[in-house]
Amino acid sequence: GAVVSQHPSWVICKSGTSVKIECRSLDFQATTMFWYRQFPKQSLMLMATSNEGSKATYEQGVEKDKFLINHASLTLSTLTVTSAHPEDSSFYICSASSGTWNTEAFFGQGTRLTVV
Amino acid sequence: EDKVVQSPLSLVVHEGDTVTLNCSYEVTNFRSLLWYKQEKKAPTFLFMLTSSGIEKKSGRLSSILDKKELFSILNITATQTGDSAVYLCAFIRDDKIIFGKGTRLHILP
Repeated sequence: GAVVSQHPSWVICKSGTSVKIECRSLDFQATTMFWYRQFPKQSLMLMATSNEGSKATYEQGVEKDKFLINHASLTLSTLTVTSAHPEDSSFYICSASSGTWNTEAFFGQGTRLTVV
Repeated sequence: EDKVVQSPLSLVVHEGDTVTLNCSYEVTNFRSLLWYKQEKKAPTFLFMLTSSGIEKKSGRLSSILDKKELFSILNITATQTGDSAVYLCAFIRDDKIIFGKGTRLHILP
């Protein structure tokens, strides 16, 4: 199957700093990428949908100024958590789709963010 | 409002048992239902179901969709300890994947 690489796998940062998470599709062109957040023992919550070359569409309740999403190419999307605080500590997962729903979207390995 | 409900929330069985996980949904513009297995990291894809009544199988796992009664089941036969995971049901809406809360399955040796 297709490979989606997410980096870093885990990161610890100080409160007030910004953290960038990368999501790359390695062997296909991802016209759409999705960013999810998952708290312990809870399900994945969709944060935003990004289409290559367009502004991301954020789900209700997600602060677009706090979670900056860039999808500048067909193989790369980034999520930047700006001015991170301890409550932003979570597991962030991206998934990528070629845009056809005949096949499933492919997930990155996830990034565990801890803000101290 | 679209929703997907998984049951049970949690399940503990012994190795060798058969389990059935349920997913019911109310979704406008339904396209497909997906099943994922999540262990420690990101979910791994199991099945995508679009048509009603057609069983999909992969080894000891199988799944079927009933679009009239709006539910799907995921069956695991002869369970093994490696089947312990959270099983997530999800649907595609407006080109987004929306997840249910999952069923936490624990297999006792």
